[in-house]
Amino acid sequence: NAGVTQTPKFQVLKTGQSMTLQCAQDMNHEYMSWYRQDPGMGLRLIHYSVGAGITDQGEVPNGYNVSRSTTEDFPLRLLSAAPSQTSVYFCASSPRRNTGELFFGEGSRLTVL
Amino acid sequence: AQKITQTQPGMFVQEKEAVTLDCTYDTSDQSYGLFWYKQPSSGEMIFLIYQGSYDEQNATEGRYSLNFQKARKSANLVISASQLGDSAMYFCAMRAWGNKLVFGAGTILRVKS
Repeated sequence: NAGVTQTPKFQVLKTGQSMTLQCAQDMNHEYMSWYRQDPGMGLRLIHYSVGAGITDQGEVPNGYNVSRSTTEDFPLRLLSAAPSQTSVYFCASSPRRNTGELFFGEGSRLTVL
Repeated sequence: AQKITQTQPGMFVQEKEAVTLDCTYDTSDQSYGLFWYKQPSSGEMIFLIYQGSYDEQNATEGRYSLNFQKARKSANLVISASQLGDSAMYFCAMRAWGNKLVFGAGTILRVKS
């Protein structure tokens, strides 16, 4: 039972570097999303997707890109990392039905120096 | 816009006692869903309970119950017979379109022995 798999779990970047956080789910869920968690602010939505080929911005999309070429994968790209992007990132997926809980990955802790 | 407010940054409860974690929400939608998630110190997000806006009965899952008061726009989590393992951060969240969730800032619960 893999569920939602995020890699890497930890990453340290220098300002200006780029990287991709990978997210894969094996539950055939239509919906996938990325959140960031910062102290005292709960989780905030970065980008989301309601199906392959469809993505849209969430509450805090600046500095991040996403794509959804398959149902299973939803990578999050940081094109030019900034210290303000130091955070814990969660990928989540859910089925289309309205009562679907979100299934979260284990989180990726990113530090930008 | 949807908003979740958790006014208790931290709570203490004695082991075996019940505790209520407060959550109020704001939305103009008629159909919505409310969730509670638990985040232990290990960092993963654990789904606890769900309440749909049209559900007439309060949701219950084992020791967790959701006190849903629609007119007051509140969705408080009640944990009965607290255990040491209940010590964690608790997030209230509301489902928006596309199964996006809007989260509150969270409440840290500490169970004392």
